[in-house]
Amino acid sequence: QVQLVQSGAEVKKPGASVKVSCKASGYTFTSYGISWVRQAPGQGLEWMGWISAYNGNTNYAQKLQGRVTMTTDTSTSTAYMELRSLRSDDTAVYYCAREGAVQGSPFDYWGQGTLVTVSS
Amino acid sequence: DIQMTQSPSSLSASVGDRVTITCRASQSISSYLNWYQQKPGKAPKLLIYAASSLQSGVPSRFSGSGSGTDFTLTISSLQPEDFATYYCQQSYSTPCSFGQGTKLEIK
Repeated sequence: QVQLVQSGAEVKKPGASVKVSCKASGYTFTSYGISWVRQAPGQGLEWMGWISAYNGNTNYAQKLQGRVTMTTDTSTSTAYMELRSLRSDDTAVYYCAREGAVQGSPFDYWGQGTLVTVSS
Repeated sequence: DIQMTQSPSSLSASVGDRVTITCRASQSISSYLNWYQQKPGKAPKLLIYAASSLQSGVPSRFSGSGSGTDFTLTISSLQPEDFATYYCQQSYSTPCSFGQGTKLEIK
C-alpha cells in the first residue's frame, strides 16, 4: 500500500533552517511528483511547491522563492523540503503529498505531517 | 493566481441530514477541482477529484458536481464520522490553491 512517512517534529530558532523528509513506499517513486503543503495552527492549507521525482524539476510558491529547496533521493524514494531563514510565521504542520504525473492531478496520498515550531 | 472561495465557512447539521458545500473559483478551472476531508490532527484525505470522480474507498454518500467556476460537494446522509473540515482545491494551474475550508459540526 502507498505510504508517505515524514520525519519527526522540529523546534527551531528564528533564522535557522529546517529539513523535513518524506519517505515513500508502495509505488514507483519516479512515476509521480511530490508537493509540499503547510498548515499554520488553526488555519487552512497552503501549497508550498512541487518536485518531480522523475527528473527533479521544481516549482515553488512565489512567496517562498529563495527560502525553500525541494529535492529527492531516488535511491531511497525520499523527498526533502528545506526551509531557511525561519520566522515565527513559519510555525506550521508541513505535509508531503503524492501528485500524479498528469497535469492537474490531485494529491491522492499524504504524509502524516511534521510540526515545525519556530520560537526563540 | 486563482482564488478559491468556499461557503459556508462553518455549518451545523445532524446525522442523516443532506449537506451541500459550495466552492467558487475566481476564473474558469474547467473540471480541475478536488475535495478533501480533514479531521483534527490528521492529514487531509482526498474525497473527490476532477469535480465529480469519487476516490477509491470513499463512501458513495459523497458526491461532487460543477465545472467552470462553480462547484458543489454533497453528502447525502451525514454520518457521525463525516464531521470534519472540508477543503476544495483547484489543480488547473500553478500555483494550485485551496479554499479556506468549511467546518462541519454536529448540531
